[in-house]
Parts: sequence; C-alpha cells; structure tokens
Amino acid sequence: ELKVEQNPLFLSMQEGKNYTIYCNYSTTSDRLYWYRQDPGKSLESLFVLLSNGAVKQEGRLMASLDTKARLSTLHITAAVHDLSATYFCAVEREDFGNEKLTFGTGTRLTIIP
Amino acid sequence: KAGVTQTPRYLIKTRGQQVTLSCSPISGHRSVSWYQQTPGQGLQFLFEYFSETQRNKGNFPGRFSGRQFSNSRSEMNVSTLELGDSALYLCASSLYKREVHEQFFGPGTRLTVL
Repeated sequence: ELKVEQNPLFLSMQEGKNYTIYCNYSTTSDRLYWYRQDPGKSLESLFVLLSNGAVKQEGRLMASLDTKARLSTLHITAAVHDLSATYFCAVEREDFGNEKLTFGTGTRLTIIP
Repeated sequence: KAGVTQTPRYLIKTRGQQVTLSCSPISGHRSVSWYQQTPGQGLQFLFEYFSETQRNKGNFPGRFSGRQFSNSRSEMNVSTLELGDSALYLCASSLYKREVHEQFFGPGTRLTVL
C-alpha cells in the first residue's frame, strides 16, 4: 500500500523567512502533485511534477521531485501572510492499470506578520 | 470555463438516513473522483468514475456508492448514515491525459450527521 508522509504537519513561520515542506512516499512513482487548501475551502492545484529532477516555480513557491529518493519538496521563499494555508502533496501510482492519487497528511502553514 | 460544481454545499442528516451528493465536472472532463476529508483521517479516496464505469475504489464500506451519467455528472450515495460519516466530501474532475492526471476540485459538500 502506498504511504505518503509530509513533514512537518504544522509550521508556523515569520514573514520574510524561508522554509521547506517535505513529502516522502513509499513506492515508485513518477508523478506528484501539490495542492493548497484554505480554511473551509476546496483544494487548488499548485504544481504538477512529472519526472525525476522536475522543478516548478510559481511566485514564492518552488516544488521539486526526486523519484529515486521518493521525495518531493515545496520550498517557500520570503514567506508572506497570503501563503498561510494547508499544503498537500499527492502521489500518483498505477493500480491494476488505473492511476490513483494518494494524498499526504497535509502541512498546515501559518505565516506570522 | 466553469469549474467543478457540487450540490448541495451543506447538508445535515440524522443517523440511519441516506444521502445523495452531486458533482458536475469541468466541461470535457470525463473522469470524476470522490474524496472524503476529515480532521482525523485526512483526505481519503472513495472512488473514481470514467465514462460511466467505476475505475478505482478506495477502502470504504459498501454503504458508499456512486455512479456516473453519460454527461459525466456523478453522484455519490451514502446509506445508513453513521456519525463518523460527517465530513467534507470533495469531488474532482480530470481531463485524464495519459501523462497527467491533474485533478480539479469542487467546493465540496459538508455533511453533518447528527
């Protein structure tokens, strides 16, 4: 069974600081997704990482994928309050010919002014 | 382009009742997946439908069922509701390109079971 673990589960950081969220998964996969969820809202797609070494950047967020280490990171640069949200990674694997997404536990990020 | 829509947005039911939730995917998307989100268990996959066929199923009891119509709209049904079924139920649609299975989520239906 595929397991997806994120750490930390909770992260409180000051504006202007840098930090990284880690996503580890237990079986081989070449496709990984990052989502953001604001309180009481749905999930918003942030990044799609399709191959080993993939790196995507959008504003102050940068995501990378190392399939050999089974690790993805979401790096936050010079955090601002608007980035406060819960971030999920999701790993895709093929299950009897059908792709299936398994989500991580989520990281609740709070940016303190 | 309109996003994924879910109805109703909020629902209150009592134990033993049944409930039907509806999801309309993004136009052109043929894959619809359902997830249950709770504070304790996180996001858990329920099932996925593609072209009116269930392609994948998560580890939920048979009380949870779904279907997809020819226009790709999907419904999920929960029978004999239990307190533990209280959750945010999210529907996601996907264009299902071979290389990318990026899912776009609806606003969710918040179900409260009393």
